[in-house]
Amino acid sequence: DAEITQSPRHKITETGRQVTLACHQTWNHNNMFWYRQDLGHGLRLIHYSYGVQDTNKGEVSDGYSVSRSNTEDLPLTLESAASSQTSVYFCASSEIAGSTDTQYFGPGTRLTVL
Amino acid sequence: AQSVTQPDIHITVSEGASLELRCNYSYGATPYLFWYVQSPGQGLQLLLKYFSGDTLVQGIKGFEAEFKRSQSSFNLRKPSVHWSDAAEYFCAVGPLSGYALNFGKGTSLLVTP
Repeated sequence: DAEITQSPRHKITETGRQVTLACHQTWNHNNMFWYRQDLGHGLRLIHYSYGVQDTNKGEVSDGYSVSRSNTEDLPLTLESAASSQTSVYFCASSEIAGSTDTQYFGPGTRLTVL
Repeated sequence: AQSVTQPDIHITVSEGASLELRCNYSYGATPYLFWYVQSPGQGLQLLLKYFSGDTLVQGIKGFEAEFKRSQSSFNLRKPSVHWSDAAEYFCAVGPLSGYALNFGKGTSLLVTP
């Protein structure tokens, strides 16, 4: 079955370190998204991509970057981790258009920055 | 700018009682509206979605939602709540199917015996 996976599921790192969170989907979806979830804020969009080589900034993109070199993967990089980036990160994907389309979410990565 | 408001942060209902979770949106064009559920420690699962047509939408797990354009609302309902419905519920709005979504802050549902 097609799916969307994230790794690692849990990560503890130190302030100032570079961290990369992986997201891989096997639906061959064009669209991929990264959200962060914080208590009292719900989910907020970090970056998104509507296809290979396409990336766009979301609401809370400062301190994060993404690159899209193939359809299946959209890794999220924290250039220099900060305590404010302690959060749960969700990756999602969807196909373009169509009334039956759905945005599917991965299981999440819990990141702690000490 | 698009936004979603879920006025209730926490809701407690007794098992077997009816449930209504509120969602209000602000959007300049025709909204695409969604309800997702998140069980503890899990990812988000789509309950239902509205794109057009019938304003009463049926979803999974016995949930339904009604789109009311005049009130800019998309409230989620269930006639009889089960203990397994305890979870976090998120309303979301987007410009088109499949594009980036704007989420509300969520409503945490507690179900008591």
